[in-house]
Amino acid sequence: DTEVTQTPKHLVMGMTNKKSLKCEQHMGHRAMYWYKQKAKKPPELMFVYSYEKLSINESVPSRFSPECPNSSLLNLHLHALQPEDSALYLCASSQAGTGGWETQYFGPGTRLLVL
Amino acid sequence: AQSVTQLDSQVPVFEEAPVELRCNYSSSVSVYLFWYVQYPNQGLQLLLKYLSGSTLVESINGFEAEFNKSQTSFHLRKPSVHISDTAEYFCAVRETTSGTYKYIFGTGTRLKVLA
Repeated sequence: DTEVTQTPKHLVMGMTNKKSLKCEQHMGHRAMYWYKQKAKKPPELMFVYSYEKLSINESVPSRFSPECPNSSLLNLHLHALQPEDSALYLCASSQAGTGGWETQYFGPGTRLLVL
Repeated sequence: AQSVTQLDSQVPVFEEAPVELRCNYSSSVSVYLFWYVQYPNQGLQLLLKYLSGSTLVESINGFEAEFNKSQTSFHLRKPSVHISDTAEYFCAVRETTSGTYKYIFGTGTRLKVLA
């Protein structure tokens, strides 16, 4: 099973709302990632969790708050977003070791629209 | 930091014709290279990868890529394309930052297969 699932598929929220994106994998991967992708652009890395600890934060605004409650789940909490935050949010996972064969697997994404 | 260059933003090609999508990377150390495909309104799917060993890697749907260290390239090729190959293709390189893997993506190449 090489599946990463994301919920919801679509989300519309106002600038004062609080919402959360969820990501789940059951491949035993210990590294999980959040990316933001604007239309016709490559994914931009936001956060990386390694062994449930935040290891990379690419200077993301504090209105985005990641959380990794266990090795299978990754959340992205959203609060006071701006319209320019509208994008496809992709979750991914990979092994976190140094065997050299690690590959990143992506979920289908959550398409977010901020009004 | 490593970088990936995909010079062609869009490649139109007729059905059953061959195609090459170019990817160049910048690194003087060992590299791990990937090609991902993204169909409209979907997440990224791993197409193929080079980690070590044979410089020619193949995917199950007829794509292949060749790792060329002297030219720092990892071009993607298919001898005969189908309409269903129409998608965005991203080349990526993996680097290690603070003991965590980061995946650096190129800007993508939109392959449009014409009937």
